[in-house]
Formats: sequence, C-alpha cells, structure tokens
Amino acid sequence: EVQLLESGGGLGQPGGSLRLSCAASGFTFSNYGLSWVRQAPGKGLEWVSAISGSGGSTYYADSVKGRFTISRDNSKNTLSLQMNSLRAEDTAIYYCAKEKWLLVTSTFDCWGQGTLVTVSS
Amino acid sequence: QSALTQPPSASGSPGQSVTISCTGTSSDVDGYNYVSWYQQHPGKAPKLMIYEVSKRPSGVPDRFSGSQSGNTASLTVSGLQAEDEADYYCSSYAGNNNFGVFGGGTKLTVL
Repeated sequence: EVQLLESGGGLGQPGGSLRLSCAASGFTFSNYGLSWVRQAPGKGLEWVSAISGSGGSTYYADSVKGRFTISRDNSKNTLSLQMNSLRAEDTAIYYCAKEKWLLVTSTFDCWGQGTLVTVSS
Repeated sequence: QSALTQPPSASGSPGQSVTISCTGTSSDVDGYNYVSWYQQHPGKAPKLMIYEVSKRPSGVPDRFSGSQSGNTASLTVSGLQAEDEADYYCSSYAGNNNFGVFGGGTKLTVL
C-alpha cells in the first residue's frame, strides 16, 4: 500500500525557518516525481514545489521561489521542504503528493494526511 | 501562476447529474492533456478522481466522468449520492515554468 507521512509542521516565526519531511513507502520511490501542495485554512489547494524522481529537476511556485527548497533522499525514501523567510501567508496545511507516473505532470494519485504550518509571532 | 476558474458551488438532488466547469487558458488546460480532478471531504486529504481529462483511476465509480472543450474542462457526477458531497478541485499541468495550477474549488451539495 502506498503511504506518505508528513512531519515537521508547527509554529514558525515570521522571517524564521521550518523543515518539512515526507516519509514514503509502498512504491519504488525514485521512479516517481513528488510535490508539496498547500491549503490555507478554509481556502483552496495551491501547488508549492515539485521534484523529479532523480532529484535533478525542481520547480517552484512564484510565491515561494527563492525562499523554499525542495529535496529528496532516494536512499531513505524521504522528501523534504526547507522553508526559509517564513511569512504569515505561508500558514497552511502542507501535503506531500506523489505523481502518477515518472513524468512530472501535476497528476497526483496519492496524498499524505498533511502537516499544519502556522506562521505567527 | 493564475488559478483556474471554477464555480464556487454546485448542487443537485440524489440521482441527478451535476457538471462542474474549470476554465483555464492555452498555457494550461488547452495546452496539455493533463487535467485532473480531485475530491476532498472535510478534514481529509484530496483524492484523485479523474486524470488526463477523462480517465478514471481504479476504484473510482463510473458515475464520475471528465471532458474538455478548448480551454474549459468539466467534471460530471451522475446519479448523485450523499457521499459525493465534497469539495472538488480541478488541476492542470502548465509547463516547466509554471508546473501546476489548481482551480479555486467547487463545493458540491447533495440536496
């Protein structure tokens, strides 16, 4: 069974940093692209960042470019999101999402349960 | 990265059909064959219901169908059931520079 389990959420200070992790199981990790998708309280979904199966290609939404860094460790089946220069508008549930194929096409067939990030002083 | 446009709400009675639209541009919906639809119940993670415009993952009832005409994609739910009440989001691939874009979501109410 494919499973994604996020961790690392919590309270972050404006201008501060947080690091999210996503532990994956049940599939050949390096064969699939992965993304982070967030959802602000009471709002819709927003794609944040994506990474190819090899980790060689990364993509970012304009809203986080230059502040967030996505990475993966294929030896540990783990996806990460380093979040720097946090802003109040980064407050959201952050979901780890798996691509349906090797290609990164923004088609997510499995989602984690999400981890809540709150940015506040 | 502009969001795709969805109606904020839709409704129908049990057994009826309802269609939710998703309007994009030639840079996303009409530029690639990667339109997806997700169902999200309150407090739960999204679930893939339709991919590549009209394909259903295994386990998704055939009451759910997808289509596209130009820059507008649509999700149709036939034979509405109480458990279909949820938020529905469309999504499209938008190329390597913009990657992924979601619609604002549609709250489907089963009357």
